[in-house]
Amino acid sequence: ETGVTQSPTHLIKTRGQQVTLRCSSQSGHNTVSWYQQALGQGPQFIFQYYREEENGRGNFPPRFSGLQFPNYSSELNVNALELDDSALYLCASSLPIAGVLETQYFGPGTRLLVL
Amino acid sequence: GDSVTQMEGPVTLSEEAFLTINCTYTATGYPSLFWYVQYPGEGLQLLLKATKADDKGSNKGFEATYRKETTSFHLEKGSVQVSDSAVYFCALRWSTGNQFYFGTGTSLTVIP
Repeated sequence: ETGVTQSPTHLIKTRGQQVTLRCSSQSGHNTVSWYQQALGQGPQFIFQYYREEENGRGNFPPRFSGLQFPNYSSELNVNALELDDSALYLCASSLPIAGVLETQYFGPGTRLLVL
Repeated sequence: GDSVTQMEGPVTLSEEAFLTINCTYTATGYPSLFWYVQYPGEGLQLLLKATKADDKGSNKGFEATYRKETTSFHLEKGSVQVSDSAVYFCALRWSTGNQFYFGTGTSLTVIP
C-alpha cells in the first residue's frame, strides 16, 4: 500500500504565473482535500474532491481550482500567482465511512515560493 | 465561525517531563476533535481523535479528553521523550461537514 505522494517537492514561480500541483492519493481512497500552510501557521482548507466532484470549498478565491481524476489523483491549479501564495501546499486523502471523513492521510507537501 | 485556538509555542522540555498543550475550540454543533503531529521533514500524521463529549483519545502515551463544558481538547503526556520533538496541531471537523479547521501549531522540543 503506497502512501500519499505529491509533486513537485519544491517550486519557484514569479507573480502572475500559473502553477499546477499534483497529488496521488493512498490506494483505495476516493476523497482528496487540499490545504495551504503558510509559514508558522496551521493548514487552511482550500477545497475537497470526492469521486471527481468538488465537495466543499474554503475561503479561497476562484483562481484556486482543482481536478480529481478517475484514479482519484488530484491537481491543484493556481492562476495569477501572488506573493502571499507562497506556502506549503498539502494534500490529504481519505475514505469516508457512511459519508463521514474521520481520518486523513497527508502527503509531504509542495513548497511554493512566489517571487 | 468555527475555529481552534492553541497554546503558543515554542515549548522546550527536558526528557521525562510532563507535557500539556492547550487547545480550545469554537464551533456550532458537536465537532469531532483531533490532534495531528508533524515530525521534522515529514507530513502531518493523525495522533489521536475524539468524536463526542467525554471521549478520551490516546496514542503513543499521549491523551486528550473532549470537554464540551470548557470547549477544550488539551493534549497531555506524562513523560516526554526526545523523539516526541515535533509540531503538534489541534483540529476540528464540523459535525455536519468534512472540512477540517486547524490551529496554528505548537512546536515542542525535548532535550536530553
